[in-house]
Amino acid sequence: NAGVTQTPKFQVLKTGQSMTLQCAQDMNHEYMSWYRQDPGMGLRLIHYSVGAGITDQGEVPNGYNVSRSTTEDFPLRLLSAAPSQTSVYFCASSALAAGTYNEQFFGPGTRLTVL
Amino acid sequence: GENVEQHPSTLSVQEGDSAVIKCTYSDSASNYFPWYKQELGKRPQLIIDIRSNVGEKKDQRIAVTLNKTAKHFSLHITETQPEDSAVYFCAAPKGGTSYGKLTFGQGTILTVHP
Repeated sequence: NAGVTQTPKFQVLKTGQSMTLQCAQDMNHEYMSWYRQDPGMGLRLIHYSVGAGITDQGEVPNGYNVSRSTTEDFPLRLLSAAPSQTSVYFCASSALAAGTYNEQFFGPGTRLTVL
Repeated sequence: GENVEQHPSTLSVQEGDSAVIKCTYSDSASNYFPWYKQELGKRPQLIIDIRSNVGEKKDQRIAVTLNKTAKHFSLHITETQPEDSAVYFCAAPKGGTSYGKLTFGQGTILTVHP
């Protein structure tokens, strides 16, 4: 199993450009999420999904869109990049089970710089 | 929503010493508390977790304790080694959810000096 994969590893954008960060998992996990990591602020939840066709906002959703057309893929779209979106982005997935919690597996991350 | 506070933000110890990192949470309905380790340039990885039906859990040199009354939980690393140097994050779920929506602490940079 490849686990959780993300592309690209690095990306530089100019202000106003759009792009899509890709995330895929091969563990048949229902739950997938996107976090951004900034120095001194831990990991903050952007968007999450509990299954194909179901998405919801996390703590910092503004400026980002997501969709979940398949169980495996959960792309994150930046509509009009801003310098404040310079960060490291992590995708994560976990199995879902009513009334219990399961380990979240993280992808390797995408380092994004917006000039 | 859940608020998780983590202390200290940096911790420096000598090899062989113990290290303790503490987290407090706000949602009394939270019942799952994982700890993640992130080495420089790498992804976060789960090292230990505890559920609210126990007060302590150990795995070799690491242990986690939970005090539900006070709403805090701690990570204990004994006999620290240089390879324990990393950033450690605690987390707690948005209370009452049966899926993985986690709130993370701000992180602790642990440095173990040989």
